[in-house]
Amino acid sequence: EPEVTQTPSHQVTQMGQEVILRCVPISNHLYFYWYRQILGQKVEFLVSFYNNEISEKSEIFDDQFSVERPDGSNFTLKIRSTKLEDSAMYFCASSDWTSGYEQYFGPGTRLTVT
Amino acid sequence: AQTVTQSQPEMSVQEAETVTLSCTYDTSESNYYLFWYKQPPSRQMILVIRQEAYKQQNATENRFSVNFQKAAKSFSLKISDSQLGDTAMYFCAFMKHTYAGGTSYGKLTFGQGTILTVHP
Repeated sequence: EPEVTQTPSHQVTQMGQEVILRCVPISNHLYFYWYRQILGQKVEFLVSFYNNEISEKSEIFDDQFSVERPDGSNFTLKIRSTKLEDSAMYFCASSDWTSGYEQYFGPGTRLTVT
Repeated sequence: AQTVTQSQPEMSVQEAETVTLSCTYDTSESNYYLFWYKQPPSRQMILVIRQEAYKQQNATENRFSVNFQKAAKSFSLKISDSQLGDTAMYFCAFMKHTYAGGTSYGKLTFGQGTILTVHP
């Protein structure tokens, strides 16, 4: 069964460094999302991406964040200058054109900012 | 803005018994979707069940069923014949109906989650 993959599974970085989290959505999917979950808290929406542009973003998704679909298969989340409070689990999700409401989640990338 | 509330931080149940997890939401939208996601210790998010707001019939998926009360804005999950593998965090989620590209899509708004433990 096709699945969303994410790399790396765990990323440790120092405060102020840039990180890129990578996702490979399911191949025929058209809608892409990033969510994050701070340990012990609920899952929060960051951004949605459709037709090569951001369709919606949350207040969390400030100028430090950006997304890109560079090559038609990868979907990346970049954090330009990480802060301690960016430490969280980051989930990528995708959905297809027939049932866009059904989002398939990747296994997540655990980001630790020290 | 939509809000989703899960008032039960933790629940426990004996194997083979039935348990109900509660969820309420607040929205001014009339057309939306509701979901239950399961997050086991691996932290992978797994879709359990989906309900379209325009459908009066409650959704069922094998041992999982929902009680959707649109007027009360309530969406509870019933797990029958609980199994040890059901032990996980369960999240209720809301999605506004946004139509583009031939289907509905949009951000999920999650509740705080309920930790369910199934005891042998």
